[in-house]
Amino acid sequence: KQEVTQIPAALSVPEGENLVLNCSFTDSAIYNLQWFRQDPGKGLTSLLLIQSSQREQTSGRLNASLDKSSGRSTLYIAASQPGDSATYLCAVSDYKLSFGAGTTVTVRA
Amino acid sequence: DVKVTQSSRYLVKRTGEKVFLECVQDMDHENMFWYRQDPGLGLRLIYFSYDVKMKEKGDIPEGYSVSREKKERFSLILESASTNQTSMYLCASSRTQGIGNQPQHFGDGTRLSIL
Repeated sequence: KQEVTQIPAALSVPEGENLVLNCSFTDSAIYNLQWFRQDPGKGLTSLLLIQSSQREQTSGRLNASLDKSSGRSTLYIAASQPGDSATYLCAVSDYKLSFGAGTTVTVRA
Repeated sequence: DVKVTQSSRYLVKRTGEKVFLECVQDMDHENMFWYRQDPGLGLRLIYFSYDVKMKEKGDIPEGYSVSREKKERFSLILESASTNQTSMYLCASSRTQGIGNQPQHFGDGTRLSIL
């Protein structure tokens, strides 16, 4: 059974600092890894999807890397802003998604 | 943009009632999913469907059933609601081309309380 772990569970940084969020998974036989953002009381917004054959994906200030062999992914958010405050979830797909518990980020103005 | 719409944001029902949660997507996606999200447990898959009238059990199907009569609509049914089914329910959809290869798009969720 796939186990997905996100460390840290919570993170607080001043505005402008770069964010580094970690995700690890136990079974490397995955199709892809997806990073989501969730605002309080809301659904999930897809941020980035990395196929198993890729090493990284970029979208604006966001960059996600994938090391399938070691079972790790990292989401980098450059020059953080208060609007980046949210919970970030990673999920790995081996035909269905298995989610981590998330990292709750607070960016202080 | 993909739009996944869940019929209710908040719902309060009584123990023993039959409860219907509805989800509609507007992008002609083949695959649809129902999850529940609980503090400390994260998101867990209840059921999914890869085609009309097709359904597959997820990790926690007990106490639930689903219906997919039309491609755009996927319903989650609580046959006899119990207090341990109080939760946030999230619907998602995705294209096929290998069910694991496409991003899933989520609705805003339904916060269900069973009293």
